[in-house]
Amino acid sequence: GQQVMQIPQYQHVQEGEDFTTYCNSSTTLSNIQWYKQRPGGHPVFLIQLVKSGEVKKQKRLTFQFGEAKKNSSLHITATQTTDVGTYFCAPNTDKLIFGTGTRLQVFP
Amino acid sequence: DAGVIQSPRHEVTEMGQEVTLRCKPISGHDYLFWYRQTMMRGLELLIYFNNNVPIDDSGMPEDRFSAKMPNASFSTLKIQPSEPRDSAVYFCASSLHRLQGYTFGSGTRLTVV
Repeated sequence: GQQVMQIPQYQHVQEGEDFTTYCNSSTTLSNIQWYKQRPGGHPVFLIQLVKSGEVKKQKRLTFQFGEAKKNSSLHITATQTTDVGTYFCAPNTDKLIFGTGTRLQVFP
Repeated sequence: DAGVIQSPRHEVTEMGQEVTLRCKPISGHDYLFWYRQTMMRGLELLIYFNNNVPIDDSGMPEDRFSAKMPNASFSTLKIQPSEPRDSAVYFCASSLHRLQGYTFGSGTRLTVV
């Protein structure tokens, strides 16, 4: 079945530093969604990428979909303590399958 | 809109007891999903419905688990009998279309002792 791996599994950064998480698939994806889950919270939809090479920005967050549509990344510029949480990529074919997630910790 | 509403927020039960988790999706959303989250297995899709009809239940662990959606505004996930390994956070989510973003409820934290 569809599987995606995310790296790194954990990332600790100092506030103000940048952060990137990568999502890799062995198969071509039709689209991919990104979610954020705060500690003790529920996943919250961030964005969906559909086109090859697509780049979308939300304030300090930049999302990319690879040219081959087998990988995706989320980059956060100048992290803040409010960015703490686990970030999941999730390909959506006929159903949403979540990746392993990257847990981000930001130290003030 | 109040979002996706799940109840109860927390449930502690003894092994062998029946557990029923409840979900009210966002009005107008045609798709409803049940997920389970554990440290070991991450977020797993258990089952999803389209227009109240179960479409894919391949993620349901075993016969002890059952899910129903009697109408567009209500779904249940039942575990009978419950076992300690069922302890997890169970999320319900809904979406307007299958390929759009999902809105998750706050989850039910189930502990089976």
